[in-house]
Amino acid sequence: DGGITQSPKYLFRKEGQNVTLSCEQNLNHDAMYWYRQDPGQGLRLIYYSQIVNDFQKGDIAEGYSVSREKKESFPLTVTSAQKNPTAFYLCASRRARGGAANNEQFFGPGTRLTVL
Amino acid sequence: GENVEQHPSTLSVQEGDSAVIKCTYSDSASNYFPWYKQELGKGPQLIIDIRSNVGEKKDQRIAVTLNKTAKHFSLHITETQPEDSAVYFCAATRGNYGQNFVFGPGTRLSVLP
Repeated sequence: DGGITQSPKYLFRKEGQNVTLSCEQNLNHDAMYWYRQDPGQGLRLIYYSQIVNDFQKGDIAEGYSVSREKKESFPLTVTSAQKNPTAFYLCASRRARGGAANNEQFFGPGTRLTVL
Repeated sequence: GENVEQHPSTLSVQEGDSAVIKCTYSDSASNYFPWYKQELGKGPQLIIDIRSNVGEKKDQRIAVTLNKTAKHFSLHITETQPEDSAVYFCAATRGNYGQNFVFGPGTRLSVLP
């Protein structure tokens, strides 16, 4: 899992509550990503950030929010507006902001969120 | 929008046989194609990748081929072993600088002893 930590590994929340998932990397990577994974589906991009204090919506950003105050940290908040939040959430990072030379994304171990 | 299709969704092979997984992408600007292996309850791990200026790449038992004209690329695993059992995802870059991926839906490979 290469220098990316996600916590907690399992998270339970009551319907209507906001919850924040942690992602930290010590790889000195510029770009960071959040993906959602549901059974039988590929990874879907929620948000990404290519530089501190900047981030962009991915394909399924509704009901989620992020911040990027530090290079090594990219927390994801699942808000009560997310209608079906139960899923496996994966964080990833990439070395360079742009260019084809540094495309590889490294993934964390994931957080499994269950809404009760 | 950009799309990556992946087939088959499940694949069972006998230990020692070969396995092939195929992906098709839609964005002609895609220039980097990674393959990830994901074991149960873990994050995906990169196993091999290929850039658009290369047609084939090999790393021991694993190889990837790319046909840019047809927009498809394939993962080949030879001499499969039980520890190869996992879910495999292909992906293709999108965006002006290839900063994001579009992932295929995954293939669950089972290697039977």
